[in-house]
Amino acid sequence: DSGVTQTPKHLITATGQRVTLRCSPRSGDLSVYWYQQSLDQGLQFLIQYYNGEERAKGNILERFSAQQFPDLHSELNLSSLELGDSALYFCASSVGPGQSYEQYFGPGTRLTVT
Amino acid sequence: GEDVEQSLFLSVREGDSSVINCTYTDSSSTYLYWYKQEPGAGLQLLTYIFSNMDMKQDQRLTVLLNKKDKHLSLRIADTQTGDSAIYFCAESTETGRRALTFGSGTRLQVQP
Repeated sequence: DSGVTQTPKHLITATGQRVTLRCSPRSGDLSVYWYQQSLDQGLQFLIQYYNGEERAKGNILERFSAQQFPDLHSELNLSSLELGDSALYFCASSVGPGQSYEQYFGPGTRLTVT
Repeated sequence: GEDVEQSLFLSVREGDSSVINCTYTDSSSTYLYWYKQEPGAGLQLLTYIFSNMDMKQDQRLTVLLNKKDKHLSLRIADTQTGDSAIYFCAESTETGRRALTFGSGTRLQVQP
């Protein structure tokens, strides 16, 4: 158990819908990263937050957004869902830049868009 | 740019050593990682190494880094059936704000 929690574990929804994925980092970690794992794209970095502020963006679609709240949990919002958005979405956390280079991953949320 | 490459598949017999290889392209203040993913599970951090190191050993795991060739390897000694999984190599750089760039993963199959 990495100490990173993600909910829900599974999510099935229809095209055009909007969903919210939730992540709680390890105790003491200020940085949260979101990654997408799909068969065709592999593991891709989406976005990073540090202590409530967006710090880096990767291959995140405009239909996707995220935020980190004062209690440091983070949410990834996916809207206007398409079949191709079906994937495993992982959250990872670390202490913060310059302090630790270890990223610990949660168990993931499996999103199926039908 | 960042690019991490791995071979797709490795099969070994139980008790043998496994060596999984990876090449990376970025050399700016790079950390290199090995993660393990079992079926239906998340990513487990196995070990990581800074790009100014040559080797790191942790119990059955040995990481070797050839900086000149930008080649990283993970050796698993006395491989067990429980080591069957997908192993991902990843790098993080300061310019990339320490986000991980992953290889495509190497599926390790351990035959009893």
